[in-house]
Amino acid sequence: AQKVTQAQTEISVVEKEDVTLDCVYETRDTTYYLFWYKQPPSGELVFLIRRNSFDEQNEISGRYSWNFQKSTSSFNFTITASQVVDSAVYFCALSEAPGGSEKLVFGKGMKLTVNP
Amino acid sequence: NAGVTQTPKFQVLKTGQSMTLQCAQDMNHEYMSWYRQDPGMGLRLIHYSVGAGITDQGEVPNGYNVSRSTTEDFPLRLLSAAPSQTSVYFCASSPNGAYEQYFGPGTRLTVT
Repeated sequence: AQKVTQAQTEISVVEKEDVTLDCVYETRDTTYYLFWYKQPPSGELVFLIRRNSFDEQNEISGRYSWNFQKSTSSFNFTITASQVVDSAVYFCALSEAPGGSEKLVFGKGMKLTVNP
Repeated sequence: NAGVTQTPKFQVLKTGQSMTLQCAQDMNHEYMSWYRQDPGMGLRLIHYSVGAGITDQGEVPNGYNVSRSTTEDFPLRLLSAAPSQTSVYFCASSPNGAYEQYFGPGTRLTVT
């Protein structure tokens, strides 16, 4: 069965600090997809990134970067030079093919607070 | 495009009442799903559909029904509301399994 673990439940940092959000997953499939979503205080879910199991390249998008390591079943998310607007709950999620993304399994989320 | 829309935004029910949460998308997406979000639990899949006329159960389907008569709409029915169904409900859609899901704004349901 698939499972996503976000061990950290809450982190508080000061603006401009770097912060890494950990995500560890379990799956028996060789083909799967990993996602990160952001849920700001307003409540909507914002898609950040999707990665398939065959693409282990790390990705950088502005201040955001993601480190995918199949050897440790981890898909960690780093925010560089955090800002107050980064304050949100962040979810890591997993879906297995052939079902695909309509059957996401989410971690319990990690609440990030960035203080000015 | 309106994207994924959900109505109502808020709802209060008494135990035993029934109601339907509406979800519609105008992106012609084949895949649609319903999740519930409870504090400290993340989001959990209730039901999903991979196309009109096709639905299946997710992780927490008990007490809920769905149908998918059109590509656009995917309503979620609570048959006899219970306090344990107090939650925030999110509907989502995606073009197919290889893409991310687009989420609606959510419905906050309280059952007293």
